[in-house]
Amino acid sequence: NAGVTQTPKFRVLKTGQSMTLLCAQDMNHEYMYWYRQDPGMGLRLIHYSVGEGTTAKGEVPDGYNVSRLKKQNFLLGLESAAPSQTSVYFCASSFSAGVSQETQYFGPGTRLLVL
Amino acid sequence: GNSVTQMEGPVTLSEEAFLTINCTYTATGYPSLFWYVQYPGEGLQLLLKATKADDKGSNKGFEATYRKETTSFHLEKGSVQVSDSAVYFCALNEYGNKLVFGAGTILRVKS
Repeated sequence: NAGVTQTPKFRVLKTGQSMTLLCAQDMNHEYMYWYRQDPGMGLRLIHYSVGEGTTAKGEVPDGYNVSRLKKQNFLLGLESAAPSQTSVYFCASSFSAGVSQETQYFGPGTRLLVL
Repeated sequence: GNSVTQMEGPVTLSEEAFLTINCTYTATGYPSLFWYVQYPGEGLQLLLKATKADDKGSNKGFEATYRKETTSFHLEKGSVQVSDSAVYFCALNEYGNKLVFGAGTILRVKS
């Protein structure tokens, strides 16, 4: 049981390049989330998904797109990277119902540097 | 909108010292409150939570009480260890199970 995994761990991009971050969970969770973590700002929600085939915008969605084609995977895409997207990206997942739904399980993070 | 405010760090303590990290929140309704911890190089993990007023969450010697009258959820530990050095995040959940985080507080414990 690996929990939540993220690929890659670290990436350097040039301005204007594109990339996709992959998040996978093996806990059969319905909900999945993408956050970015910046110094002094905590974690901010980019996009989230409440089930396979559904996605929704979070607090800071601009410049990102997501897809949830399979229940266990949640992809975050950057179509044209900008230096302002330099950050650490965390994926999380949770159950969809009951008290347990409130606990989110986080991946180890992806560090992205945009030059 | 909802928000969470934490005391700024870093907080530097000697081993066995008493720890308090302040957290206050602004929210409509009565959200659940959480403390997450991030150890160096790792993702966040849930430390404790409380789901209603006057509830006390506790784990690994840490505890926090949901105070509705002061909209606070301060984290405390009676005797910190070097292994407690980490970043601590206070958070609340919004409708749709979305978490709103505070900025985080760095804790450094010296031996």
